[in-house]
Amino acid sequence: QSVLTQPPSVSGAPGQRVTISCTGSSSNIGAGYDVHWYQQLPGTAPKLLIYANSNRPSGVPDRFSGSKSDTSASLAITGLQAEDEADYYCQSYDSSLRAYVFGTGTKVTVL
Amino acid sequence: EVQLVESGGGLVQPGRSLRLSCIASGFTFGDYTMSWFRQAPGKGLEWVGFIRGKVYGGTTEYAASVKGRISISRDDSKSIAYLQMNSLKTEDTAVYYCAREHPVVPDSFDIWGQGTMVTVSS
Repeated sequence: QSVLTQPPSVSGAPGQRVTISCTGSSSNIGAGYDVHWYQQLPGTAPKLLIYANSNRPSGVPDRFSGSKSDTSASLAITGLQAEDEADYYCQSYDSSLRAYVFGTGTKVTVL
Repeated sequence: EVQLVESGGGLVQPGRSLRLSCIASGFTFGDYTMSWFRQAPGKGLEWVGFIRGKVYGGTTEYAASVKGRISISRDDSKSIAYLQMNSLKTEDTAVYYCAREHPVVPDSFDIWGQGTMVTVSS
């Protein structure tokens, strides 16, 4: 079950900036657990995009950035490119469920 | 190259069992906690369970939605993690992924396999 809420879709023209929100609660993001973001290109496995709220793994362009505040987190993509078309998921840990939890997922479309 | 490769998926009837394998290469498998996830067709990601590395006792944790029907094990000598699924239901139909817990950032997953499709249908 998805206990983290994301917008179903966001879109932007090439070069624009888009943001994806991830809203949780006091038992996950609000409890201080880190938020991680994954990019899933069509037909492929998820790829770690942002870890521990705002850190990029080696090889991830600096167009991608993350932040966290209170019970929510955000992923921003600046300078949107066609290759950024994908599904994006936030992920954290929930202490009430004792489980890793994902966001509902957001489809990014480049117009 | 650090890599995970899942296998064992296929078409299975409701109520039957299936064992998936996740073969690792390119890293010291025994040192890592390994997780399984699934993604139903057109749906989002769901954590299924994990098995800790031997240094943490090799213990397991499972999601409530599958607890009692699945078990995760590992063979560190072969660098393989297994997902045993019993009493399969149609709602277990999904792509199943294994993933490695990030070595530095707990609770995140830095290496994923390509996935293996499980279809539960009569």
